[in-house]
Amino acid sequence: EVQLLESGGGLVQPGGSLRLSCAASGFTFSSYAMSWVRQAPGKGLEWVSAISGSGGSTYYADSVKGRFTISRDNSKNTLYLQMNSLRAEDTAVYYCAKGPAGGGVIADMDVWGQGTTVTVSS
Amino acid sequence: DIQMTQSPSTLSASVGDRVTITCRASQSISSWLAWYQQKPGKAPKLLIYKASSLESGVPSRFSGSGSGTEFTLTISSLQPDDFATYYCQQYNSYLGTFGQGTKVEIK
Repeated sequence: EVQLLESGGGLVQPGGSLRLSCAASGFTFSSYAMSWVRQAPGKGLEWVSAISGSGGSTYYADSVKGRFTISRDNSKNTLYLQMNSLRAEDTAVYYCAKGPAGGGVIADMDVWGQGTTVTVSS
Repeated sequence: DIQMTQSPSTLSASVGDRVTITCRASQSISSWLAWYQQKPGKAPKLLIYKASSLESGVPSRFSGSGSGTEFTLTISSLQPDDFATYYCQQYNSYLGTFGQGTKVEIK
């Protein structure tokens, strides 16, 4: 069964840092692009970042560019999101999601994790 | 950047109704559009990809159409399990922009 399990969320002060992880299982992780999508409380979905299967190509939303870094360790089947200089507006549930077979780095997302909550507050 | 606009924002309907949700792109995205369903407290679920392709396991009452800048998601006969929020997402550019969502409520 294809599964994604996020971890690493929590409460952090403005200006602080946090690293999210997404453990993948049930598929050949290195063959698929992966993405992070977030959802602020009571709001819609916001695409955050994506990375190619090899890790060689990365893309970011303007709202997080320069502050967040997406990466992956294909030997550990794990996706990461390093979040620095966090702001109150980064408060959200963060989902990792898998791209489709044969798709581009920016693509539809056919499997999602359950999400991890990040709260930025003093 | 490409902007995605969904309409309506909220839709009230009854079981058995035919429901249509529209998504407009600020510029052409060819057929690079997906539709997702999200229920409260749950992760989104992919319904449609490439504008009109039904994801495996998704009931056939869901269908998608359109290309360029205008797209629709149709539920042919609304079922109790379909009351949820629906999002479109474009993936034609280097950003994967979502629409603001359409909540389908019980009338």
